[in-house]
Amino acid sequence: ELKVEQNPLFLSMQEGKNYTIYCNYSTTSDRLYWYRQDPGKSLESLFVLLSNGAVKQEGRLMASLDTKARLSTLHITAAVHDLSATYFCAVVLTGNQFYFGTGTSLTVIP
Amino acid sequence: DAEITQSPRHKITETGRQVTLACHQTWNHNNMFWYRQDLGHGLRLIHYSYGVHDTNKGEVSDGYSVSRSNTEDLPLTLESAASSQTSVYFCASSVQGSYNEQFFGPGTRLTVL
Repeated sequence: ELKVEQNPLFLSMQEGKNYTIYCNYSTTSDRLYWYRQDPGKSLESLFVLLSNGAVKQEGRLMASLDTKARLSTLHITAAVHDLSATYFCAVVLTGNQFYFGTGTSLTVIP
Repeated sequence: DAEITQSPRHKITETGRQVTLACHQTWNHNNMFWYRQDLGHGLRLIHYSYGVHDTNKGEVSDGYSVSRSNTEDLPLTLESAASSQTSVYFCASSVQGSYNEQFFGPGTRLTVL
């Protein structure tokens, strides 16, 4: 059974600070997605990481994938309030089965 | 614009009742999925379909069923609702093929009393 663990589960950070969210998974996969969910809303795709060493950046968010370590990170640079949301990683196994992490609830404090 | 919709958005029902949640997409996607979201568990896959008349069980399928009679719709039925099925339910779809991005609907909040 594939396990996907995210940490931390809750993150409160001040504006302007940097932080990293970690996503560990238990079996081999070459594709991983990061999604964002605003309170009471649906999920929106942020990044897809396709291979070992992949790095994607969009604004203040940067995601990376290390398939050998079975680890993905989502790095937040100089956080702003608009980044407050819950972030999920989703590991994809053969076919289309997505296995989601537990989510990291991020609150950015002015 | 293409989209994926769910109805109802909120539902309150009683234990033992049959409930059907609707999911409709206009993306013309072959793949459709149902998830439930619970605090501490993230999203867990209930059922999925890769095309008309195709359905498959996911990680938490007990007590749920789906049927796929056309490309656009994948209704989720709770045969006899239980309090443990109180959750937020999301439908998603993706293009045919493997590893493709899933697009999510707005969700249905279901409460079973």
